[in-house]
Amino acid sequence: KNEVEQSPQNLTAQEGEFITINCSYSVGISALHWLQQHPGGGIVSLFMLSSGKKKHGRLIATINIQEKHSSLHITASHPRDSAVYICAVLMDSNYQLIWGAGTKLIIKP
Amino acid sequence: DSGVTQTPKHLITATGQRVTLRCSPRSGDLSVYWYQQSLDQGLQFLIQYYNGEERAKGNILERFSAQQFPDLHSELNLSSLELGDSALYFCASSVGGSYGYTFGSGTRLTVV
Repeated sequence: KNEVEQSPQNLTAQEGEFITINCSYSVGISALHWLQQHPGGGIVSLFMLSSGKKKHGRLIATINIQEKHSSLHITASHPRDSAVYICAVLMDSNYQLIWGAGTKLIIKP
Repeated sequence: DSGVTQTPKHLITATGQRVTLRCSPRSGDLSVYWYQQSLDQGLQFLIQYYNGEERAKGNILERFSAQQFPDLHSELNLSSLELGDSALYFCASSVGGSYGYTFGSGTRLTVV
């Protein structure tokens, strides 16, 4: 079993839909990152969370430390949101990042 | 511009050759991380440096080596290149510990 599990692996939705991507982990962490990788390959760090909820524009990230679960939400999705979204956890034992496999999101106009 | 600079952006080289990838971290960041992303795998952690010293090693091949210089820039050296080394190589930097990461735009290496 992978230490970081993301779901779904692939998600196709229509423009305007509310999107949720989930991340579950099984190790002790000091922080969790959500990253976005565009088709060209560039990686952008979206959020770093250690508790609660963060919001940036149409993106919302939440984390439940007790349940070892985080979600990334996109409101009013747009085709430009199409990308791979990656969850990565920072282990509290050695500060190493463990990556999820990513969720490929396609938003159709 | 994220503040992390990677050069070159693209590199095409032949098998058996040696290349050097360079990363300049964001100003003030002491940690540099190298990652490899190949077509069939996710991001693989290679190695981390903190303030000039190796901090952690991941799945880095013996043919690969890295170092971080006094000015905190880092170089990843890949030698005896094989076709399977073709990948995107990312560098990220952070202040250290549990602080956020900033990624460079990557170097796309193609070995022919």
